Amino acid sequence: EAEVAQSPRYKITEKSQAVAFWCDPISGHATLYWYRQILGQGPELLVQFQDESVVDDSQLPKDRFSAERLKGVDSTLKIQPAELGDSAMYLCASSLFPTSGSYEQYFGPGTRLTVT
Amino acid sequence: KNQVEQSPQSLIILEGKNCTLQCNYTVSPFSNLRWYKQDTGRGPVSLTIMTFSENTKSNGRYTATLDADTKQSSLHITASQLSDSASYICVAHGSGNTGKLIFGQGTTLQVKP
Repeated sequence: EAEVAQSPRYKITEKSQAVAFWCDPISGHATLYWYRQILGQGPELLVQFQDESVVDDSQLPKDRFSAERLKGVDSTLKIQPAELGDSAMYLCASSLFPTSGSYEQYFGPGTRLTVT
Repeated sequence: KNQVEQSPQSLIILEGKNCTLQCNYTVSPFSNLRWYKQDTGRGPVSLTIMTFSENTKSNGRYTATLDADTKQSSLHITASQLSDSASYICVAHGSGNTGKLIFGQGTTLQVKP
């Protein structure tokens, strides 16, 4: 069964350092999402891509976060510089179409980031 | 403000028992209601998706109900198993091609032997 792949699974970094996460969606899925999930809370959307274009990045802290999906397939989320408050699980998800109607969103296993 | 609230925040039950998790949402316009199961340290996995015209949907021992008039949903777990220990997240989806998923904070369920 096809899955969303993410790496690394765990990342520990010092504050002010740069960190990057990678996501490979399910093959053929045009829509890709990055979420941040703080422990004990539900995921919060950071950015949504349709193919290589950003559809929604209204909640992305653009002073330190950036995301790209250059060829409309895999994607990278970067944080520079990392802050203590960035410690969270970063989840990637993909769907065949934008999440209109009842199209399913499939989540990857996530990257657990700890900033020290 | 679009919001999803879940109760209880956490729940402990004995293996074999049934339980019901609650979800209230204020998302408008509304498209569908989803329940996800999230094991510790893993990504969420979809259990059910219900449109506003559906009242109930089952997935094995999981049965979700939806009352679009009162904006309430529930997830009933029958004959619980140890593997049901997880966080259960209620998600309301707004209408439109870029309608966002609004996530609840989740209910943490622990099933004890």
